[in-house]
Amino acid sequence: DAMVIQNPRYQVTQFGKPVTLSCSQTLNHNVMYWYQQKSSQAPKLLFHYYDKDFNNEADTPDNFQSRRPNTSFCFLDIRSPGLGDAAMYLCATSNGVSDIQYFGAGTRLSVL
Amino acid sequence: AQSVSQHNHHVILSEAASLELGCNYSYGGTVNLFWYVQYPGQHLQLLLKYFSGDPLVKGIKGFEAEFIKSKFSFNLRKPSVQWSDTAEYFCAVNAERSYNTDKLIFGTGTRLQVFP
Repeated sequence: DAMVIQNPRYQVTQFGKPVTLSCSQTLNHNVMYWYQQKSSQAPKLLFHYYDKDFNNEADTPDNFQSRRPNTSFCFLDIRSPGLGDAAMYLCATSNGVSDIQYFGAGTRLSVL
Repeated sequence: AQSVSQHNHHVILSEAASLELGCNYSYGGTVNLFWYVQYPGQHLQLLLKYFSGDPLVKGIKGFEAEFIKSKFSFNLRKPSVQWSDTAEYFCAVNAERSYNTDKLIFGTGTRLQVFP
């Protein structure tokens, strides 16, 4: 049974049209992460939440925002998607320091 | 900055062949090391991890990895691969920590294809 669920699996949006990706978890983990993975590249951390505390990576563009309304859900908002934002977006959860991360299946975003 | 290098981008093997995938990291301090696997159409899942202790760690499905501190390496091995091992394999290091969370740095991945 899936423990980290991402919806949708595939998302197509238009250049400049805001889009929201969803992640939910049944593990009750404190930490939720969002990664961006472009073709043939390593997953790159965008930001994470520890409970309600938001931690942005220094090089994450302002175009990317996140919300975590409760323990189970976390959203990735892309305010004005550009062609360069087409990628696989991965959500992961963990219980914090020295705990492994559990990944969702990802959402593949296409920008037309 | 911390980084992870995976030397083999694409590996093609026949069933029963032995496998070794290279992984090197750059970080001088204490690290936690991971191999994740992604089967076609599925999510990333943990294959094995090293936190401390015996540098030879065993994971699921007959995989093992050896941590060699002097070489900054954490190579993945399997003595005899199966067709079902066809997947993408990612090495990752956890070297930056805030007081309550970890940050994984991933390698670019190795795509393994196993032919019957």
